[in-house]
Amino acid sequence: AQSVTQPDIHITVSEGASLELRCNYSYGATPYLFWYVQSPGQGLQLLLKYFSGDTLVQGIKGFEAEFKRSQSSFNLRKPSVHWSDAAEYFCAVGSSYKLIFGSGTRLLVRP
Amino acid sequence: NAGVTQTPKFRVLKTGQSMTLLCAQDMNHEYMYWYRQDPGMGLRLIHYSVGEGTTAKGEVPDGYNVSRLKKQNFLLGLESAAPSQTSVYFCASSYSSAGAYEQYFGPGTRLTVT
Repeated sequence: AQSVTQPDIHITVSEGASLELRCNYSYGATPYLFWYVQSPGQGLQLLLKYFSGDTLVQGIKGFEAEFKRSQSSFNLRKPSVHWSDAAEYFCAVGSSYKLIFGSGTRLLVRP
Repeated sequence: NAGVTQTPKFRVLKTGQSMTLLCAQDMNHEYMYWYRQDPGMGLRLIHYSVGEGTTAKGEVPDGYNVSRLKKQNFLLGLESAAPSQTSVYFCASSYSSAGAYEQYFGPGTRLTVT
């Protein structure tokens, strides 16, 4: 069965430091992969997506993610975190016409 | 464009009461979805619709019903609310099955059942 695992429930980084959020998926075919961000009290906003082609994808707000088929991973990265990046981040895999979400990683940013 | 809107934003129900959550989208999307979000569990799909007049069960459909009488609206009903249905409910929509994987989300409805 398809599934998504985000092994880190919380991550705390200092403002200006780099960030990597982990995502591992289980899917039989070439997956469609997504990262969404949810600010407190808000809905989810798409950060970036991978359908095919270049395995390094760029998204909004300076985020990027790399698809590694051999590791079944789609980790999200940002070189320098801003205080406004504090939010919850969800990785998702597209299955048929549905999305399967991971349980999320809450990012805290230290001043 | 308003995108995806949800009504109401907050609601408190007593056990056994009923209510309907309304989702509306103005993007002419074919696909619409209802999710619930609970701490530590991500988003779980309740029901979805691939077009006007069609609905299908998702991962956690028990205790919920849905209707899609108009393309732009997707209603989620709770006939007899239970405390286990306390959650934040999100509606989403997408253009097609190819683009269905990119979903646009509403702001959510926070429901408490006492």
